[in-house]
Amino acid sequence: KNEVEQSPQNLTAQEGEFITINCSYSVGISALHWLQQHPGGGIVSLFMLSSGKKKHGRLIATINIQEKHSSLHITASHPRDSAVYICAVGNYGGSQGNLIFGKGTKLSVKP
Amino acid sequence: NAGVTQTPKFQVLKTGQSMTLQCAQDMNHEYMSWYRQDPGMGLRLIHYSVGAGITDQGEVPNGYNVSRSTTEDFPLRLLSAAPSQTSVYFCASSNRGTQYFGPGTRLLVL
Repeated sequence: KNEVEQSPQNLTAQEGEFITINCSYSVGISALHWLQQHPGGGIVSLFMLSSGKKKHGRLIATINIQEKHSSLHITASHPRDSAVYICAVGNYGGSQGNLIFGKGTKLSVKP
Repeated sequence: NAGVTQTPKFQVLKTGQSMTLQCAQDMNHEYMSWYRQDPGMGLRLIHYSVGAGITDQGEVPNGYNVSRSTTEDFPLRLLSAAPSQTSVYFCASSNRGTQYFGPGTRLLVL
């Protein structure tokens, strides 16, 4: 069983729609990360959170530690949001970067 | 700041050849790591370093060596390339947990 599960695997939306991507994990964590991988391959960190909710522009990330679940929301989606969104969890212990990654959710936003 | 840089962008190797993937960062981050990304799988940690002179193995270290002589550089060495090492390799550095990724190196082993 994968330690980090994302759903859905693929998502197609129309421009303007509200989008939710889910991430469930089975290990104890120090923090959860949401990353964006552009069609060209580059990976960018969107959020790192260990509790509650964070917002940046049209992106909102939430985490429920008790339920071991996080969601990434995109409001008013746009074709430029088309990318693979990756959830990763860190159980840092003495090392801050040992992440376990989900397989990603491929989002396509149609105009 | 250039951030995290990787060279080369693309490389073709024959089975048994060796090569070094270069990674450098100019943000003075102590933590650096190497990942590989394969179709249908999440990124997997190969090796990591928590500072100059200190390295450790990740999830899939076999066939790879690393060293960290300076804070800036973290090269990944393939000792004897195998077709199973065909992948996209990402280097990353980290500051207080936030990850900064390089652009990736696409490696094809024939």
